[in-house]
Amino acid sequence: SQQGEEDPQALSIQEGENATMNCSYKTSINNLQWYRQNSGRGLVHLILIRSNEREKHSGRLRVTLDTSKKSSSLLITASRAADTASYFCATILSGGSNYKLTFGKGTLLTVNP
Amino acid sequence: GAGVSQSPSNKVTEKGKDVELRCDPISGHTALYWYRQSLGQGLEFLIYFQGNSAPDKSGLPSDRFSAERTGGSVSTLTIQRTQQEDSAVYLCASSPHQAPNSPLHFGNGTRLTVT
Repeated sequence: SQQGEEDPQALSIQEGENATMNCSYKTSINNLQWYRQNSGRGLVHLILIRSNEREKHSGRLRVTLDTSKKSSSLLITASRAADTASYFCATILSGGSNYKLTFGKGTLLTVNP
Repeated sequence: GAGVSQSPSNKVTEKGKDVELRCDPISGHTALYWYRQSLGQGLEFLIYFQGNSAPDKSGLPSDRFSAERTGGSVSTLTIQRTQQEDSAVYLCASSPHQAPNSPLHFGNGTRLTVT
């Protein structure tokens, strides 16, 4: 079963609006990462948030992490058509030597011009 | 600099044939991952290499799947006696080191179609 689950599965917005995607996970994590995938391409790393961090910013991206609720959100502000892509959260489980990055099924974001 | 390179980008094969997929990681990256992505699905972990350590093969779906990493660099994923359910995009990723706080760098994948 997937460690991370994104919500919603698909999101369609107008250019200039903000987009919020959520990720829930099941077990304790070391860190949580967000990746973006354009159609037919590989994944590109966006941002990493450690388990002891609550919020992180990178340009128009804002990520929050709530370890008590085992959830994270990715906010893209002032969206652009070029932000159209699938967005995945991925987790590294805490403890031991498990460095396996486990991905959710993704949120397909469509930004309409 | 050069990113992760995968070849071929597309592969069509007949059911029952063997296929080899190649991954050239970023130079100096010690960690290498293979993932499989089926249509509309997330990424399924297949195998992980780290330096000279024994690989983590826990994600390989059957004994028809195997992978090697020669000289700590190039990796090949081999699928023997391919089945239609093997059709997917196979993604390779590398990472500078083993630490868990190291992001993965992905190639563009090999799209495998088994007819």
